[in-house]
Amino acid sequence: KQEVTQIPAALSVPEGENLVLNCSFTDSAIYNLQWFRQDPGKGLTSLLLIQSSQREQTSGRLNASLDKSSGRSTLYIAASQPGDSATYLCAVPFSGNTPLVFGKGTRLSVIA
Amino acid sequence: NAGVTQTPKFQVLKTGQSMTLQCAQDMNHEYMSWYRQDPGMGLRLIHYSVGAGITDQGEVPNGYNVSRSTTEDFPLRLLSAAPSQTSVYFCASRYSSYSNQPQHFGDGTRLSIL
Repeated sequence: KQEVTQIPAALSVPEGENLVLNCSFTDSAIYNLQWFRQDPGKGLTSLLLIQSSQREQTSGRLNASLDKSSGRSTLYIAASQPGDSATYLCAVPFSGNTPLVFGKGTRLSVIA
Repeated sequence: NAGVTQTPKFQVLKTGQSMTLQCAQDMNHEYMSWYRQDPGMGLRLIHYSVGAGITDQGEVPNGYNVSRSTTEDFPLRLLSAAPSQTSVYFCASRYSSYSNQPQHFGDGTRLSIL
């Protein structure tokens, strides 16, 4: 079964710290990988999408990397702020025409 | 640009009742899907559609029906509600299969079955 795993399930850091969230997937032949943010009681907001041919994508303080051979992606958040507190989910379509398979997310708390 | 719109936002049903959760997108996306989100279980795929007239089952399809008569709309029907279907339901869309454009989500429908 194709699976996506995110570790840790929860993370608490002080404001200003740089941090890394991890995502692993069981099949290296993914089509792309997407990182989402979900605030409590809200829907999912797309943060970054990395195509299978890319190694990384950046948006502001966020940088996502992709290593297909090892089945891993990381989301790096620089200079964390309390407003970054949310659940972060990664998801992959294991081929181009299949639905996204989601990890269970990492719940991030940034303490002022 | 409204994106993905889900209605209603909240609903309480009694066991055995039926209802339809509505989902509409205005981005001309071919690919639409329904997920449910439960504590500790993450997001699980219920049904999806790669275009008008085409639907397929996901991981947890039992108790749910879908149809896709137009590109814009993808309603999810609960045939006979059960307490196990208490959940938050999300509709999502993306441009097409084999697309490297991001997937968009609605704000969700919070459903309680008594």
